[in-house]
Amino acid sequence: EADIYQTPRYLVIGTGKKITLECSQTMGHDKMYWYQQDPGMELHLIHYSYGVNSTEKGDLSSESTVSRIRTEHFPLTLESARPSHTSQYLCASSESYRGEKLFFGSGTQLSVL
Amino acid sequence: GNSVTQMEGPVTLSEEAFLTINCTYTATGYPSLFWYVQYPGEGLQLLLKATKADDKGSNKGFEATYRKETTSFHLEKGSVQVSDSAVYFCALMPNDYKLSFGAGTTVTVRA
Repeated sequence: EADIYQTPRYLVIGTGKKITLECSQTMGHDKMYWYQQDPGMELHLIHYSYGVNSTEKGDLSSESTVSRIRTEHFPLTLESARPSHTSQYLCASSESYRGEKLFFGSGTQLSVL
Repeated sequence: GNSVTQMEGPVTLSEEAFLTINCTYTATGYPSLFWYVQYPGEGLQLLLKATKADDKGSNKGFEATYRKETTSFHLEKGSVQVSDSAVYFCALMPNDYKLSFGAGTTVTVRA
């Protein structure tokens, strides 16, 4: 069973607020990922990390930032949320070197008013 | 670039019907191919995978064969159940280990 947790599950905030989406995994995985998913659209990779102190931007440009200070923790931060940031954000981690099997969290549905 | 195109939904079926979800891909090299499933209220989970041409992935009655000649990885199940209602995502992983997902296909199975 996957042990990867995202909080909060739902978040509704006003424009201009700073927010942090939490993602933690207890499996000791080195690789972690953030995906953005809009309804009916494909998942887009926005950030990934190959280990502690490693962070890279994904294929979709995002105004968010991430950090990886500990293996188990990969938070995503928006300094100033806007309505265009409204989306579902999915965190994932992978166990094998090739990262083939990803374990996903349940997601955070973000709504910016 | 690498991309995945899968059949648009939603798809609505009756129990015991045959399900096919088409997936084609564009990639350089020899990517691995996957089907992920997202049940209502849950996170994505791996359904099956194939890592080289002609491999067949199978799980929970679902099958998909990696067809390099047609760059396809269609998902099939011979007799669906209500519990198969979910969103299904086709995905590929090229050599840089970053998954690319299709748009997802919502499947609803009626009793």
